[in-house]
Amino acid sequence: GNSVTQMEGPVTLSEEAFLTINCTYTATGYPSLFWYVQYPGEGLQLLLKATKADDKGSNKGFEATYRKETTSFHLEKGSVQVSDSAVYFCALKRGGSEKLVFGKGTKLTVNP
Amino acid sequence: NAGVMQNPRHLVRRRGQEARLRCSPMKGHSHVYWYRQLPEEGLKFMVYLQKENIIDESGMPKERFSAEFPKEGPSILRIQQVVRGDSAAYFCASSPLNGPGAYEQYFGPGTRLTVT
Repeated sequence: GNSVTQMEGPVTLSEEAFLTINCTYTATGYPSLFWYVQYPGEGLQLLLKATKADDKGSNKGFEATYRKETTSFHLEKGSVQVSDSAVYFCALKRGGSEKLVFGKGTKLTVNP
Repeated sequence: NAGVMQNPRHLVRRRGQEARLRCSPMKGHSHVYWYRQLPEEGLKFMVYLQKENIIDESGMPKERFSAEFPKEGPSILRIQQVVRGDSAAYFCASSPLNGPGAYEQYFGPGTRLTVT
């Protein structure tokens, strides 16, 4: 079946540190891959996406590259800010289906 | 353009009662999705609806749960005879059929259901 495995949290970093949150997936066919962010008390917001192998999604300084050979979509940011503190979810959507399959989420806390 | 609206934001029900969760999609969006997030878990797909039509309910429990998206008004997720295991956050998402962002899902803030 289709599944997403995310790096266990929580992750605590100092401001301006480098961030990596690992995400690997199992899927039939060629899924689209997503990172969503959930700020406290809010719904999920789409952060970035990639729809085919070697695509790089980027937004607000975050990046992730669709790696078919390692079935991975790791999230990175070169210099995190306190305002990046949130829960990050990796997700996939298989072609022909509209349902998103989510990882368990990784809570990030950035300290000043 | 207001985002996806969900109400109530918090709902407390005793075991055996009914829970009704409402979702108003973004203006112009004709697709609605419901997801459930159990404690310490990721979101799990429940159902996908278009107006007056259930497209995919493969994630819905077979009993006690139902969903609708009528021609007028919000989408409703209904849980009959709630049990403690139904305690979770329920998220609704909507997407447009056409244009930029077609089928991209925009999430509401969620309803946190607590069953006592």
